Amino acid sequence: DAGVIQSPRHEVTEMGQEVTLRCKPISGHNSLFWYRQTMMRGLELLIYFNNNVPIDDSGMPEDRFSAKMPNASFSTLKIQPSEPRDSAVYFCASSFGQGPYEQYFGPGTRLTVT
Amino acid sequence: QKEVEQNSGPLSVPEGAIASLNCTYSDRGSQSFFWYRQYSGKSPELIMSIYSNGDKEDGRFTAQLNKASQYVSLLIRDSQPSDSATYLCAGQANAGGTSYGKLTFGQGTILTVHP
Repeated sequence: DAGVIQSPRHEVTEMGQEVTLRCKPISGHNSLFWYRQTMMRGLELLIYFNNNVPIDDSGMPEDRFSAKMPNASFSTLKIQPSEPRDSAVYFCASSFGQGPYEQYFGPGTRLTVT
Repeated sequence: QKEVEQNSGPLSVPEGAIASLNCTYSDRGSQSFFWYRQYSGKSPELIMSIYSNGDKEDGRFTAQLNKASQYVSLLIRDSQPSDSATYLCAGQANAGGTSYGKLTFGQGTILTVHP
């Protein structure tokens, strides 16, 4: 079975540019999570969706970040405009929202903003 | 106080030894716990889940949960150099409400198994 799919795997962009990260959850999973991981802050939850509806976006750093889930098989995380401090690895994870809530992670997108 | 705390490490053990990784949590409502392994440059990989008090064994891995003490641990028997990674503990609050399976992760413990 295909796991969580993320694209691109690596992204290098200049400060001020728009960045869009993409995620396809595991088929049948109805909860989707976006995380950011840095050495300093560890793994941080940015936002999560259940049945395509955003449930908690309290982890989104600021208005430059936005996320959408237009259907059960696709989600995007957008940063506009990007800044060097956004450089991190961004993970998408999915789970079956009715329990037991085991989350499975995608391979991640390594973002570098210069 | 962090909601999920792990022993800071790094932890170094010789090959063949038992590695013991510990985690405490502050939310008494937490019901389910998970251990993830993360190799350098890779994504977290789920290796164990535990939902009730006691021990759960899977191969060389044993997860232990003590809800009264709010303590979770992972034991790795016969440690191998391939076990060298960062281990993340995560807790999940009560089902229902608005949690929808949100996990709270610890900072991770770096384990090195040396030959």
